[in-house]
Formats: sequence, C-alpha cells, structure tokens
Amino acid sequence: DAGVIQSPRHEVTEMGQEVTLRCKPISGHDYLFWYRQTMMRGLELLIYFNNNVPIDDSGMPEDRFSAKMPNASFSTLKIQPSEPRDSAVYFCASSLNTDYNSPLHFGNGTRLTVT
Amino acid sequence: DQQVKQNSPSLSVQEGRISILNCDYTNSMFDYFLWYKKYPAEGPTFLISISSIKDKNEDGRFTVFLNKSAKHLSLHIVPSQPGDSAVYFCAARNYGGSQGNLIFGKGTKLSVKP
Repeated sequence: DAGVIQSPRHEVTEMGQEVTLRCKPISGHDYLFWYRQTMMRGLELLIYFNNNVPIDDSGMPEDRFSAKMPNASFSTLKIQPSEPRDSAVYFCASSLNTDYNSPLHFGNGTRLTVT
Repeated sequence: DQQVKQNSPSLSVQEGRISILNCDYTNSMFDYFLWYKKYPAEGPTFLISISSIKDKNEDGRFTVFLNKSAKHLSLHIVPSQPGDSAVYFCAARNYGGSQGNLIFGKGTKLSVKP
C-alpha cells in the first residue's frame, strides 16, 4: 500500500496567487481529513469528508479556503487568494472508519510558503 | 483555549533510559486518547491509544497511562532508542465523536542521545 499521497511536497507562491494542494487517500478508506500545522496553533483540523461528502468544515479559516473530493481517490484543498499567514504544512489523512482501531494515516504533507 | 496541552516542547534522554512524555487535557468528555509520532519531513504516524475506561495500555516498549481524575496522560518509552527521536503528539477525542473530532496537542520533541 502506497499510503496517503500528497502533492506537491513544497509550494512557494506569491501573495494573491491561487494554490491547490492535492491528496490521494489510501484505497478503501472512507474518511479523508485536511489538517494544517503551524508553530502557533499546532495541528488543526480544517475539514473532513466521509464517502466524498464534506462532514465538518468548521475548521476552514475563511472563504479563501475551499476543499473538494470529486471521487473516492482524490481531494483538493484550494486557497484563493493566498496570504503570507497561510504559510504552514498542510497534511492530508485518511482512515477506514471512525472506530477505535482505525487510526488516521497521514501523508507526508505539503509545505506552503506564501511570500 | 487549548483543550490538549503538552507543556514540554522538548525532552532529551540518554539511550537506554526511560522517556516520559506528558499530556494534560481540560475536557472531561474526552473518551479516547492517542499518541502519534512524527519524523521530520513526514506525516504523523499512529503509535498507541487508550480508552477512558482503562488506565494503562502497553505495546512493546511503549506504555500509555491515563489518570482521569487528574486529566493527565503520559507516554513511557522503555528503553529509549535513538530511533525514537521524533516529535510526539498527544490527541484526544470527544465522547462518541469521530476521528474528525480529534484535538491534538502541539507536540513534544524527543531527542534520544546515544
């Protein structure tokens, strides 16, 4: 199993530009999560999907952020327009279900730098 | 308002000794606790978990202790090995909640010196 795959690994962009982060979850996992890690706030959940349907997007910072899951094997997190305070590591994770014995499997993250 | 707190940003331990990583929480409705380990440039990986109905869970060199009255849990690594050097995140879940309700601490960076 290849695990959760995220692309790109690094993204450097200028303020105001659109940024799209991509994620391929583990095949057969019904849940997909987007997290953001910063020094100040640690790991915080942005949004999660169940069977491609967004369940909770209360962690999405503002309207500049949007996430989609068009099918079971692909999700995107888009920031438009990007701002320097969006600089962080963005992780995608998936899990089989929400049972006790179904932990999150994280990708290796996308390090976003907005200048 | 942090519901899950890891008050030690870093910890340094000698190889072969015990590592104790601590985590405090404020929400009495948390019913399930997890530890994740993270190496540089990688995503966190699940390490060990404990349900609130237990006070101890052991998996090889890793043991998690839960003290509900003190709202405190700890991760013990015995013996510590240089490969254990990583950032450790404590996470907690609301009663009846899903994985989407996990609240993470900010992490403790463990360094195990040979």
